Amino acid sequence: NAGVTQTPKFQVLKTGQSMTLQCAQDMNHEYMSWYRQDPGMGLRLIHYSVGAGITDQGEVPNGYNVSRSTTEDFPLRLLSAAPSQTSVYFCASSYASGITYNEQFFGPGTRLTVL
Amino acid sequence: RKEVEQDPGPFNVPEGATVAFNCTYSNSASQSFFWYRQDCRKEPKLLMSVYSSGNEDGRFTAQLNRASQYISLLIRDSKLSDSATYLCVVNDYRQSNTGKLIFGQGTTLQVKP
Repeated sequence: NAGVTQTPKFQVLKTGQSMTLQCAQDMNHEYMSWYRQDPGMGLRLIHYSVGAGITDQGEVPNGYNVSRSTTEDFPLRLLSAAPSQTSVYFCASSYASGITYNEQFFGPGTRLTVL
Repeated sequence: RKEVEQDPGPFNVPEGATVAFNCTYSNSASQSFFWYRQDCRKEPKLLMSVYSSGNEDGRFTAQLNRASQYISLLIRDSKLSDSATYLCVVNDYRQSNTGKLIFGQGTTLQVKP
């Protein structure tokens, strides 16, 4: 099992550019989520999904879109990049309903810089 | 008030020391509790789940106090390799069957030789 994979590992964008961060998991997890991590702020939830075709907003969704067309993939789209979106982005997945202690597995992260 | 609060530290301790971290959570309806470890520039990884009765894994002991709404992590005989950030994590009580978790800011531990 590859677990949770993310691409790219590093990315530099100019203000106003758009791009998609890719996330895939091969564990058949229902739940997938995107976080951003900034110094002193901890992990903040951007968007999450409890299954194919179902997505919802997290704590900081503005400027980002997601879709979940398959169980495996959960891409994050930056519509018009801004310097405030410079951050480290983590994708995570887990089993969802019916299991109380559900470990989240994280991808290795994407380090994004917006100039 | 943050939903999950931790002292960010850093905690600087010598090798062999015992160190304890506490974490408080705001909602008594929370059901699942975890400690994650995050190494510098790496992704978070599960260290241990926290059970109501408390649990131990080698040098690590986690305890839950529901009445006071806090979780603790005790590390005995600290090793240099324990240097990391420790994240306190609680399930989102409003959506307890979705897998959604709430992360604390993290506590940084530096173990010195």
